[in-house]
Amino acid sequence: SQKIEQNSEALNIQEGKTATLTCNYTNYSPAYLQWYRQDPGRGPVFLLLIRENEKEKRKERLKVTFDTTLKQSLFHITASQPADSATYLCASSGTTDSWGKFQFGAGTQVVVTP
Amino acid sequence: DTEVTQTPKHLVMGMTNKKSLKCEQHMGHRAMYWYKQKAKKPPELMFVYSYEKLSINESVPSRFSPECPNSSLLNLHLHALQPEDSALYLCASSRDPGGVSYEQYFGPGTRLTVT
Repeated sequence: SQKIEQNSEALNIQEGKTATLTCNYTNYSPAYLQWYRQDPGRGPVFLLLIRENEKEKRKERLKVTFDTTLKQSLFHITASQPADSATYLCASSGTTDSWGKFQFGAGTQVVVTP
Repeated sequence: DTEVTQTPKHLVMGMTNKKSLKCEQHMGHRAMYWYKQKAKKPPELMFVYSYEKLSINESVPSRFSPECPNSSLLNLHLHALQPEDSALYLCASSRDPGGVSYEQYFGPGTRLTVT
């Protein structure tokens, strides 16, 4: 079955360091990967989208990569700040040969300490 | 306006009640979605509407009944729910009716408690 997985352990990081989150997928080839931020009790907020033919995308302090060989996306938050503390969700959409449903990973909680 | 609004914010209902959740967007998006999210879990897709027509039903029990009266509104009618249906219900919309190549915009959710 198609799976999209993220590290379920919380990532604790010191302010100013780079946080790196991993998203792995198995048994399918998504055409797009998206990353969202979710704060407790709120809806997810879109951050970045990367297509399968793109290696890297950046937005301000955020960077996402898409490695179709490793079947993996990495999400980086550089110069992290306490305000970056949240749960980060990756999601896949589309496949190379069909629509494919929009599917979220379990999310990784990031805690940035001053 | 990039906002998706949802009402009510909180809802407590008994197992014999009938209630409705409402969602509205004015971004001209032609795809709208309902998700269910339990604590510490990711959102689970329930329904997808594309051009006001139901295109995806992820085997959701019939006690949940979606409705899309027009391109801006999405309702979720609830009837005879079970306590395990208590969750955060999220509405989302996107430009792409296929729901694939564009981001989704989420509302703040309705916190539903079934007693």
